Amino acid sequence: NAGVTQTPKFQVLKTGQSMTLQCAQDMNHEYMSWYRQDPGMGLRLIHYSVGAGITDQGEVPNGYNVSRSTTEDFPLRLLSAAPSQTSVYFCASSYSAGPSSYNEQFFGPGTRLTVL
Amino acid sequence: KNQVEQSPQSLIILEGKNCTLQCNYTVSPFSNLRWYKQDTGRGPVSLTIMTFSENTKSNGRYTATLDADTKQSSLHITASQLSDSASYICVVIRNTGGFKTIFGAGTRLFVKA
Repeated sequence: NAGVTQTPKFQVLKTGQSMTLQCAQDMNHEYMSWYRQDPGMGLRLIHYSVGAGITDQGEVPNGYNVSRSTTEDFPLRLLSAAPSQTSVYFCASSYSAGPSSYNEQFFGPGTRLTVL
Repeated sequence: KNQVEQSPQSLIILEGKNCTLQCNYTVSPFSNLRWYKQDTGRGPVSLTIMTFSENTKSNGRYTATLDADTKQSSLHITASQLSDSASYICVVIRNTGGFKTIFGAGTRLFVKA
């Protein structure tokens, strides 16, 4: 199993550009999510999905779109990049969305995004 | 407000020494508490998961404790190694009928030879 994979690992954008961060998992997990990690702060939830065709907003969704056409893939789209979106982005997956004590969450290696 | 506070922000210890990292939370209703290790440039990796009824959980040289009454947790690292240099993140899951995860900002641990 490759687990959770993310591409690209690094990306530099100019303000106003758009791009898609890719995320895939091969564990047949229903729940997938996107987080951003900023210095001195805990990870913050951007968007999540409880299954193919179902997505919802997290804590900081503005400026981002997601879709979930398959169980495996959960891409994150930046519509018009802004410097405030400079961050490290992590994709994560887990077997289900419930708060089960042993519903372990697996994280990808991250994408470091800089918006100039 | 649902928050997770970790201390210290950073810590430097010598190889072979023990250390304890602290986590205080105000999250309610509580479901479970997790500790993650995050190496530089990598995603977080789960170390321990504890429910309300568990007050200690070990994973090799890592031992987590939980006091649900005082809403405090600690992560104790025994006989530290250079590879323990990383950020350690405390995470609390809210049980609201949905899946709500509250992350602490982490403690950055440096282990020196």
